[in-house]
Amino acid sequence: AQKVTQAQTEISVVEKEDVTLDCVYETRDTTYYLFWYKQPPSGELVFLIRRNSFDEQNEISGRYSWNFQKSTSSFNFTITASQVVDSAVYFCALSELNSGGYQKVTFGTGTKLQVIP
Amino acid sequence: DAGVIQSPRHEVTEMGQEVTLRCKPISGHNSLFWYRQTMMRGLELLIYFNNNVPIDDSGMPEDRFSAKMPNASFSTLKIQPSEPRDSAVYFCASSRTGGGGGETQYFGPGTRLLVL
Repeated sequence: AQKVTQAQTEISVVEKEDVTLDCVYETRDTTYYLFWYKQPPSGELVFLIRRNSFDEQNEISGRYSWNFQKSTSSFNFTITASQVVDSAVYFCALSELNSGGYQKVTFGTGTKLQVIP
Repeated sequence: DAGVIQSPRHEVTEMGQEVTLRCKPISGHNSLFWYRQTMMRGLELLIYFNNNVPIDDSGMPEDRFSAKMPNASFSTLKIQPSEPRDSAVYFCASSRTGGGGGETQYFGPGTRLLVL
């Protein structure tokens, strides 16, 4: 069975600090996809990134970067020079095919990030 | 392009009343998902449609919940009768295809339901 663990329930950092959000996953499949979503206080879920299991290259987008390591089944998310607008709940998700050939997505429980000015 | 559209955004009702939540997926997307989010249980998948056909409804809590997708651009989630424990945020999401396992789900703004 697939599983996503976000062990950090809440993190507080002071503005301009770097912060890393951890995500550890479990799956038996060799083909799968990993996602990060952001849920700001306004409540919507915003897609941030998608990664497939065959692409372990790290990704950087502005102040955001993602480190995918299959050896440790982790897909960690780092925010550099955090800002107050980064305050949100961040969800990691794992997607793979179920036995019927359809997408099955499992979300982690989320990490609440508070950036203090 | 417009994103996923949900209505209403907020709903307050009394226990026992029928509640209908609506969703319009992104045009061209053929998979639609209904999720429920609560503090206690996080994000739970309720039901998943592909090409308007329910594929997985194992997450639907009980017979009080029903979902339909009469066409590619509209879906409803109905609770009848509603109970206070149904209070939650209900999200609709859509993706381009259901196969392959890697399609990104795009979420609507959610409907915040409060059952008194």
